[in-house]
Amino acid sequence: DGGITQSPKYLFRKEGQNVTLSCEQNLNHDAMYWYRQDPGQGLRLIYYSQIVNDFQKGDIAEGYSVSREKKESFPLTVTSAQKNPTAFYLCASSPGLPQADTQYFGPGTRLTVL
Amino acid sequence: LAKTTQPISMDSYEGQEVNITCSHNNIATNDYITWYQQFPSQGPRFIIQGYKTKVTNEVASLFIPADRKSSTLSLPRVSLSDTAVYYCLVFSGTYKYIFGTGTRLKVLA
Repeated sequence: DGGITQSPKYLFRKEGQNVTLSCEQNLNHDAMYWYRQDPGQGLRLIYYSQIVNDFQKGDIAEGYSVSREKKESFPLTVTSAQKNPTAFYLCASSPGLPQADTQYFGPGTRLTVL
Repeated sequence: LAKTTQPISMDSYEGQEVNITCSHNNIATNDYITWYQQFPSQGPRFIIQGYKTKVTNEVASLFIPADRKSSTLSLPRVSLSDTAVYYCLVFSGTYKYIFGTGTRLKVLA
């Protein structure tokens, strides 16, 4: 069953703690992405990676970090430096085509800071 | 990067055809137009993508006029399960989509 998996579905964190969100894909896609979604809002890009061992900051990268050591995995760490981390986090992947590239999304992780 | 403008919300009744128009005035020559559907607490789901004229698949049609400054997503005979947020995006080959707030479609019985 091909697709993108994110874990956990729900995550609770105390203030001051770092937390890592998992994203795995078996679609053999080159590119992967992390988005944040706040209630009633659209998605905002945190980080993206076009190939293994390379990643770029998106529009709201402050307080977040990523790694891309394997093609199928793109974990996101929410650090204590992120001032308002409570949100819905979505991971996506795409073939990485120069035109008409289509992103496919995972089910999301809802992070709540207590 | 091209920004898009869509209506904030729309209501429709079951069985009707729904058309959602998106404006993208500064679309570039090589940009593609993509539509996604999102249900609450789920990831967006790809609906349809096109470059010009008309594209149709099993769930929707996408109409793009010659100047490509707008596009219209057409959902035939909607049902209650089509109640969702619909996003129009322009892909410009830079690995970046810009998501607006989308259009909240509510289908009424």
